[in-house]
Amino acid sequence: EPEVTQTPSHQVTQMGQEVILRCVPISNHLYFYWYRQILGQKVEFLVSFYNNEISEKSEIFDDQFSVERPDGSNFTLKIRSTKLEDSAMYFCASSDQQETQYFGPGTRLLVL
Amino acid sequence: EDQVTQSPEALRLQEGESSSLNCSYTVSGLRGLFWYRQDPGKGPEFLFTLYSAGEEKEKERLKATLTKKESFLHITAPKPEDSATYLCAVQAYTGFQKLVFGTGTRLLVSP
Repeated sequence: EPEVTQTPSHQVTQMGQEVILRCVPISNHLYFYWYRQILGQKVEFLVSFYNNEISEKSEIFDDQFSVERPDGSNFTLKIRSTKLEDSAMYFCASSDQQETQYFGPGTRLLVL
Repeated sequence: EDQVTQSPEALRLQEGESSSLNCSYTVSGLRGLFWYRQDPGKGPEFLFTLYSAGEEKEKERLKATLTKKESFLHITAPKPEDSATYLCAVQAYTGFQKLVFGTGTRLLVSP
C-alpha cells in the first residue's frame, strides 16, 4: 500500500541553525501539506501546497518557514533560523482530488 | 473560527467493554469530518471520512457517525490493540484543504 515517507525521523539542531525536513508524498497525489504537533498538544496545520505554489498557510508559517517541491517526488519544509519553540513533531501529508489526507510517520525536531 | 472539541480526554476500558468517543465541532460549512488513529510517536493513521449528517462508516470494531454538531466513534468489544489516541478533524469549505484537529481521546484497553 502506498505511503508517505519522511526523513530524517529525528533531527537535533542548535538554535539559529537551518533545518530541512524531507517528505516523499504518495506518488499520484497532487496536494501536499505540513503539520506540526508540539508534545502533548494538538496537530496544527502549517501550510498546503498545490500546483507548485502555496495554497494556504497558517499564522505559524511565518517568514522563517518555506516549502519547496524540488523534483517530481520530494516535498521539503525549511526552517531558516530555528527557535526553541520550533521543537515539535512535523508531519507531512498528501491527498489526491479527494479530501482524505494521508500522513507520514513524522520528523521529531529538537532545537537546543 | 473552526473548532473541534473531543471528549473524554482519556478513557480506560476493559477488553470487550464497548464505549463511544465524542467529537463536537463548529465549522463554517463542513466539507468533511475525519477520524484518525495515532499511536505514540507516530503519524495519524486514517480511519474514516464522513461528509453529511446521518452518514455512518464501519471498520472492524469501529463505527463512526455524524450529526450536524458532533460525531461519535463507537468501539464495540475493544481489544488491547485498539489502545491509541483517536483524533477528530474537520475540513471547511472556506479553507483550501486544511484540517482542524481536536486534542484527541487517549484510549487504553486493558486485557
